[in-house]
Amino acid sequence: EVHLVESGGGLVKPGGSLRLSCAASGFSLSNYTMNWVRQAPGKGLEWVSSISSRGTYIYYADSVKGRFTISRDNAKNSLYLQMDSLRAEDTAVYYCAREVGYCSGGNCYSMYYFDFWGQGTLVTVLS
Amino acid sequence: QLVVTQSPSASASLGASVKLTCTLSSGHSNYAIAWHQQQSEKGPRYLMKVNRNGSHTRGDGIPDRFSGSSSGAERYLTISTLQSEDEADYYCQSWGTAIRVFGGGTKLTVL
Repeated sequence: EVHLVESGGGLVKPGGSLRLSCAASGFSLSNYTMNWVRQAPGKGLEWVSSISSRGTYIYYADSVKGRFTISRDNAKNSLYLQMDSLRAEDTAVYYCAREVGYCSGGNCYSMYYFDFWGQGTLVTVLS
Repeated sequence: QLVVTQSPSASASLGASVKLTCTLSSGHSNYAIAWHQQQSEKGPRYLMKVNRNGSHTRGDGIPDRFSGSSSGAERYLTISTLQSEDEADYYCQSWGTAIRVFGGGTKLTVL
């Protein structure tokens, strides 16, 4: 059974840093593109960042570009989000999400939409 | 620029059917989308992918009361025989190579 468990959230001051982790189980992380998605209190879902199965392709939303860094350790079946220069507007529940994909001929390909989500970790940026 | 638009709210009676709409922006009418459900205080759950021709692929364990369809730039989620646990927020998601996009979500109330 696929499980995604986020951790690392908490209270941080504006300008501070935080590192989120997502532990994957029930599947091999190395075969899938992974994402971070956030949800501000009372608001909708906002895509944050994406990283391909081997980490070759990385993309960010404009709202976090230059401040957040996505990474992965396939050997540890873990996904990370390093968040620097945090702002009040970064306050949100952060979810990790797996993309549908398949592997063929030694390469893995993404279908770009999400099929499994974690339960989220809350990040609060407050002075 | 890829944008997906949803109505903020919808309501229907217990046991009835409801059809939620997701509209793709101009120039993107042939894109597929995915529907996700988010019940109160929970993480989202994948429901299905809906292609431009209306074919759809449900996620594991999603009952066939949930179905998808398409017309032009609109993608639909129809929920039949509404149950109380269907009361939730529903998000559509689309994508490009370097971007993933969510609609604003539709809050479904089951009366």
